[in-house]
Amino acid sequence: AQSVTQLGSHVSVSEGALVLLRCNYSSSVPPYLFWYVQYPNQGLQLLLKYTSAATLVKGINGFEAEFKKSETSFHLTKPSAHMSDAAEYFCAVSVHTGGFKTIFGAGTRLFVKA
Amino acid sequence: DTAVSQTPKYLVTQMGNDKSIKCEQNLGHDTMYWYKQDSKKFLKIMFSYNNKELIINETVPNRFSPKSPDKAHLNLHINSLELGDSAVYFCASSPTTGGVEAFFGQGTRLTVV
Repeated sequence: AQSVTQLGSHVSVSEGALVLLRCNYSSSVPPYLFWYVQYPNQGLQLLLKYTSAATLVKGINGFEAEFKKSETSFHLTKPSAHMSDAAEYFCAVSVHTGGFKTIFGAGTRLFVKA
Repeated sequence: DTAVSQTPKYLVTQMGNDKSIKCEQNLGHDTMYWYKQDSKKFLKIMFSYNNKELIINETVPNRFSPKSPDKAHLNLHINSLELGDSAVYFCASSPTTGGVEAFFGQGTRLTVV
């Protein structure tokens, strides 16, 4: 069965520091992988996605993620954190079980310190 | 134009009541979903509809009944509300094609008192 594990429910970085949010997946077939961001009291917004093309995927707001099949990982990074990056981040995998459904990780709350 | 819109945004109601949440998407997508986000931010899929047909039902109590009058709408009706139903409910839609992300509504915060 497909699943997603996000390591660390909370991550705190200083403004300007590297952001690294970890995600590992489990899938018996080549996965479709996504990172979403959720700002307080809002819905989810797509940051980026992997769909078996380039393994390094660039998204919005300076974020990128690298698909590593050997490590079953899809970690999200940003070279320099900004205060506005503080939010909840979700890694997700899309699976086909009669229809496509998106399974989410538990989320990682990113705090950015001034 | 809002791609996926839900109403109401907030809903406070007493235990035992029946309530509905409406969802509409103007993206032309074939598939729509309901997700529940609990107080710990965990997102769990509840239902998925494709062209008005139920295709995924994830062990949800039968007090929850989705209804899709057409492929642009997916409403959620909840009977006999319980305290544990308090959560944020998100509607989403996506094309049938795999590998395409789901687009989410802004959520409905349901509080049962």
